[in-house]
Amino acid sequence: SQQGEEDPQALSIQEGENATMNCSYKTSINNLQWYRQNSGRGLVHLILIRSNEREKHSGRLRVTLDTSKKSSSLLITASRAADTASYFCATGPYNNNDMRFGAGTRLTVKP
Amino acid sequence: DAGVIQSPRHEVTEMGQEVTLRCKPISGHDYLFWYRQTMMRGLELLIYFNNNVPIDDSGMPEDRFSAKMPNASFSTLKIQPSEPRDSAVYFCASSSSGVGETQYFGPGTRLLVL
Repeated sequence: SQQGEEDPQALSIQEGENATMNCSYKTSINNLQWYRQNSGRGLVHLILIRSNEREKHSGRLRVTLDTSKKSSSLLITASRAADTASYFCATGPYNNNDMRFGAGTRLTVKP
Repeated sequence: DAGVIQSPRHEVTEMGQEVTLRCKPISGHDYLFWYRQTMMRGLELLIYFNNNVPIDDSGMPEDRFSAKMPNASFSTLKIQPSEPRDSAVYFCASSSSGVGETQYFGPGTRLLVL
């Protein structure tokens, strides 16, 4: 069963705009990860944020984590057409014996 | 490193036939995962290995599915007999850090069972 739930399911924006995707989860976690999947390809790891971190940056990506609300957000700034993909959050539990992926957010960036 | 390698990339077979999917993890990674992705169920973990030993196969849908890892550089996922509902994209992933840490995915095998 899925642990993370992404919101929205689909997002369409213009190139240059920012894209924000959210992830909610149910149980306590050790970390939360975001992955990208281009059509017909495997998942690519983007960023990992640990439960004791609140914010992390990587290039145009900014991830926040609020463990009290059991939620995370992924912000992509100055989006490009090449950012068009599905984005998944995955939670790593404390017992570290499982990792669950959400259903994903389908992002379309129009040139 | 070439990353995680999967073969074949596409497989079309008829119901009842045996299907074998193959995976070569990244060298040095001691965790290997098999996932299945469908529109209806999303990405599901089927089984994972640590140091070639199956640790959790609770995600394997039924006895028709089996997985092996005879050595650190090779794993197979077998479906026998195959059914149309097995049609999906099957991904292999590997990690050096553990189950809940960064995983590196292969390109997937797109399976169609007619």
